[in-house]
This record gives sequence, structure tokens and C-alpha cells, in this order.
Amino acid sequence: NAGVTQTPKFRILKIGQSMTLQCAQDMNHNYMYWYRQDPGMGLKLIYYSVGAGITDKGEVPNGYNVSRSTTEDFPLRLELAAPSQTSVYFCASSEKTALSSGANVLTFGAGSRLTVL
Amino acid sequence: AQSVTQLDSQVPVFEEAPVELRCNYSSSVSVYLFWYVQYPNQGLQLLLKYLSGSTLVKGINGFEAEFNKSQTSFHLRKPSVHISDTAEYFCAVSDRGYSTLTFGKGTMLLVSP
Repeated sequence: NAGVTQTPKFRILKIGQSMTLQCAQDMNHNYMYWYRQDPGMGLKLIYYSVGAGITDKGEVPNGYNVSRSTTEDFPLRLELAAPSQTSVYFCASSEKTALSSGANVLTFGAGSRLTVL
Repeated sequence: AQSVTQLDSQVPVFEEAPVELRCNYSSSVSVYLFWYVQYPNQGLQLLLKYLSGSTLVKGINGFEAEFNKSQTSFHLRKPSVHISDTAEYFCAVSDRGYSTLTFGKGTMLLVSP
């Protein structure tokens, strides 16, 4: 059982370039999330999705886009990379929602470290 | 909206000593509370969670946490730490009527021999 798989693990971009961080889960989870982690700042939610075809903004969505065409995949797109987007990005998924019988327990991927120069 | 405060950015301890990592939250509604652990160069994994019932919650690797509603706290404790417990620990809160987690800034636990 692979869980949540993120690719690439490392990437260096030049300012203004674009790229997509891939995220796939094989647990049939409804909810998927993208967080960024900066030193001393914890995790900030970028975007999340409650199911295929549905996405919503988190706390720090500017400069990013997402799509959710299937239950399994939730790619994160950076259109015009900026140095402020240098960070470690984590994708996560969860089975239950706070609206159902239990709370969200997130399963995280291993992370993608992005550097923008 | 909810928020989480982890009062210590780093906690250095010696091996076999007890440790407490502090977490306070604010929310206008009932919440779920979590502790996640991140080992170096890895993703986060769930350590324990409080949903309801007993306020003392036991997790993996000998950790436990106590939910204190009056003090809006959810401190993490371990009676005797190991070198392998060196990691960053994140407290998180979820509004019971909402789907996303809000994380604290993390506490780095540094265990020395």
C-alpha cells in the first residue's frame, strides 16, 4: 500500500518558470490537501479538495492552482515561480470528514522540496 | 476560526528524562485535537488524537496527551525519552464542523545522550 505519493522529491526552478507537483493516493480518500512548510512557521494550507471536481482555497492560495479530475490525483501548479515559493510542499489525504462520524486523520506524503532561484 | 500556539520552538532534553511539549488552542466551538510527528526528511505522521471521551489520550511510542478544556490546552508528555524521539512535533486543531486542520508552528524535540 503506497499511501500518498509525491513527485518530484526535489526541484530547482528559475524565477518565472512554471511546474506541477504531482500527488497521488491509493486509499480512495475523499479529501486531499496541499500544505507548504517553512522553517519555524509550521504548515500552511494552500488548497484542498473534498472530492473529484471540487476544490477550495486554503490560507495561502496565491500563486498556486489545483485541479481534481480523479479521486486519486491532486496536482499543484505553480504558474510563475517566485523566490517566496521556495518551500517544502506536502500533500495529504483523509478518509473521514469533520461532518461525518469522525475527525480527519491526515495521511501525508514524504514532501517535495522546491527551490526558486 | 481556530488557532494553535506551541509555546516552545525547541525543547532540549537528555535521554531517559521526562518531557512535556505545550500546546494551546483557541476556538469558539468544540474541536478535535491532534499531535503529529515529523522525523528528519520525512512527512508527518499521526502520534495521537482527541475526539471525545477520556481527556487522557495515549498514542504511539509511549506518548500521551491531556485535553484540558478550561485551559484550552493539549500538552504532549512522555515519561522517558529516547534518542529516536528526536523530531519535530506539531499540534493541530480541527473545528468539528469543518474539514481542515490548523497546525501550530512546531516544537523541535532534541534528545541528547
